[in-house]
Amino acid sequence: NAGVTQTPKFQVLKTGQSMTLQCAQDMNHEYMSWYRQDPGMGLRLIHYSVGAGITDQGEVPNGYNVSRSTTEDFPLRLLSAAPSQTSVYFCASSNSRGGSYEQYFGPGTRLTVT
Amino acid sequence: GEDVEQSLFLSVREGDSSVINCTYTDSSSTYLYWYKQEPGAGLQLLTYIFSNMDMKQDQRLTVLLNKKDKHLSLRIADTQTGDSAIYFCAQKRSWGKFQFGAGTQVVVTP
Repeated sequence: NAGVTQTPKFQVLKTGQSMTLQCAQDMNHEYMSWYRQDPGMGLRLIHYSVGAGITDQGEVPNGYNVSRSTTEDFPLRLLSAAPSQTSVYFCASSNSRGGSYEQYFGPGTRLTVT
Repeated sequence: GEDVEQSLFLSVREGDSSVINCTYTDSSSTYLYWYKQEPGAGLQLLTYIFSNMDMKQDQRLTVLLNKKDKHLSLRIADTQTGDSAIYFCAQKRSWGKFQFGAGTQVVVTP
């Protein structure tokens, strides 16, 4: 199993550009989430999904869209990039089997918006 | 909203025990977790504890949960240089939704 994969690893955008961060998992997990990590602020939840076709907002959803058309994929779209979106983005997946809901994280995407 | 709070930095000598503390506010959390993040990498689950437990031990790791005070701690025995990392406390909220603390940077000195 590859686990949780994210592409790209690094990205530089200009203000106003749009892009999609890709996330895929091959563990047949129900739950998937997107977080951003900023210094001193830990991980903040952007959007999450409890299954294909079902998404919901987290703490900091503004400026981001998600969709979940398949169990495996959960892309994050930046509609019009802003310097405040410079961050490290992590995708994670988990399931309820075994009861612990352990989250598996991807390696992250480092995004810089100039 | 409901918060998870941790101290930001801990320095410990190699061979000593480390204790990382966390407080949380959502008393309905069923699971509480400790994750480790090494430089340039994603988070990796170290251990977790179910809310009806007071303590869980896993090799060098001991988790203590005080539900009355909503306090969680992670003790690392015989701390090694490879334990230098950022440690995150997290709580499970609703289905598929988790909340993380800001992380504690642990630096192990020889």
